[in-house]
Amino acid sequence: DTAVSQTPKYLVTQMGNDKSIKCEQNLGHDTMYWYKQDSKKFLKIMFSYNNKELIINETVPNRFSPKSPDKAHLNLHINSLELGDSAVYFCASSQVRGGSGTQYFGPGTRLLVL
Amino acid sequence: GEDVEQSLFLSVREGDSSVINCTYTDSSSTYLYWYKQEPGAGLQLLTYIFSNMDMKQDQRLTVLLNKKDKHLSLRIADTQTGDSAIYFCAESNTGNQFYFGTGTSLTVIP
Repeated sequence: DTAVSQTPKYLVTQMGNDKSIKCEQNLGHDTMYWYKQDSKKFLKIMFSYNNKELIINETVPNRFSPKSPDKAHLNLHINSLELGDSAVYFCASSQVRGGSGTQYFGPGTRLLVL
Repeated sequence: GEDVEQSLFLSVREGDSSVINCTYTDSSSTYLYWYKQEPGAGLQLLTYIFSNMDMKQDQRLTVLLNKKDKHLSLRIADTQTGDSAIYFCAESNTGNQFYFGTGTSLTVIP
């Protein structure tokens, strides 16, 4: 069973479109994250949710909107996609309360905006 | 945010030891981590060390922590071609926020 899964794995779309990436974790963790990895492999945190509440919101354009319907899911919706949004997006989860906080990552979603 | 720095590239010959270094600025770090990212894949947790430890060994991997100098290293003994990947150092002090290094791309030459 995959611990942290993301869909889709690849996403190719035109500039200006709206798209969503889904993330699910079956580890029972209380915290989930979205990261962006650019072409130089630098990893930057975007958002963090703890028990469905937003706790970290780094400086990202408001075209990016995370949604957490429940503790096991954290989806990322992107409006009006731009060329610079092309990157690999990673979802992660961890158990912060009563746990080590170790983050477990999904396989990534490779987004290419044309 | 906190700074976590790594050198970007390292090349070693197969069978040699690799040492990947990391420095960080947060003196209140609780956990320090090493992740491995193979081409086209996600980040895989390799090992982590609690900040009150100096060393942790796990098979071919040895993690050394110098808390005074805020220096973390990962030693891979008998490096194999399958070890070629990007290695990320990360630190956390609250569990909520992780700070990742820039990643070190390890190339193992046969």
